Amino acid sequence: QVQLVESGGGVVQPGKSLRLSCATSGFTFTNYAMHWVRQAPGKGLEWVAVISFDETLTYYADSVKGRFTISRDNHNNTLYLHLARLRHEDTALYYCARHGPGTSDGFDSWGQGTLVTVSS
Amino acid sequence: QSVLTQPPSASGTPGQRVTISCSGSSSSIGSNYVYWYQQVPGTAPKVVMHRNSQRPSGVPDRFSGSKSGTSASLAISGLRSEDEADYYCAAWDDSLSGWVFGGGTKVTVL
Repeated sequence: QVQLVESGGGVVQPGKSLRLSCATSGFTFTNYAMHWVRQAPGKGLEWVAVISFDETLTYYADSVKGRFTISRDNHNNTLYLHLARLRHEDTALYYCARHGPGTSDGFDSWGQGTLVTVSS
Repeated sequence: QSVLTQPPSASGTPGQRVTISCSGSSSSIGSNYVYWYQQVPGTAPKVVMHRNSQRPSGVPDRFSGSKSGTSASLAISGLRSEDEADYYCAAWDDSLSGWVFGGGTKVTVL
């Protein structure tokens, strides 16, 4: 079955960087666009970024544009999110999510998330 | 402040029908499909409605979705205790070139 396993979270100081990973299995990774979605403690869901199946297209939320970079390794079926110039408000549980098979689809599978805490 | 607007809470007794609204704009709900996600506290979200009104396999037919203009709604009929969760609507926004979520609605089964 579809499995998405995030890792790389932790406690990091403001202004520093971090790289999150999402290891996938159970489906043909190269056929799907992939997303990162985050959830601050006690708050709602916030979409962060998406990358197309072939890495040619990326889109970002305004709140992270210019600081975060989404990428993927289609040989190793892994999704990444590089977080730079971190701020306190970036503290959240970061989920990776698979985009459905159609262009107009939404997020059809989710990982369990990895927690990023930005604190001095 | 979320781009899509949902009521913060909704409740009902077992067996009742609960409806959650989601209001957007012409560039979000007005132009694109709406999706609904259920999140039980401490767990990852799970899709319960896609493309406005299509139920994924495994989702009970007690769940139904609709869309009209720039608003959408999710209805849960025959409410059960296991339906108690947070529910989020989501849609692509053409103006923002990104996905937007509602702020979430906490459904309580009394």
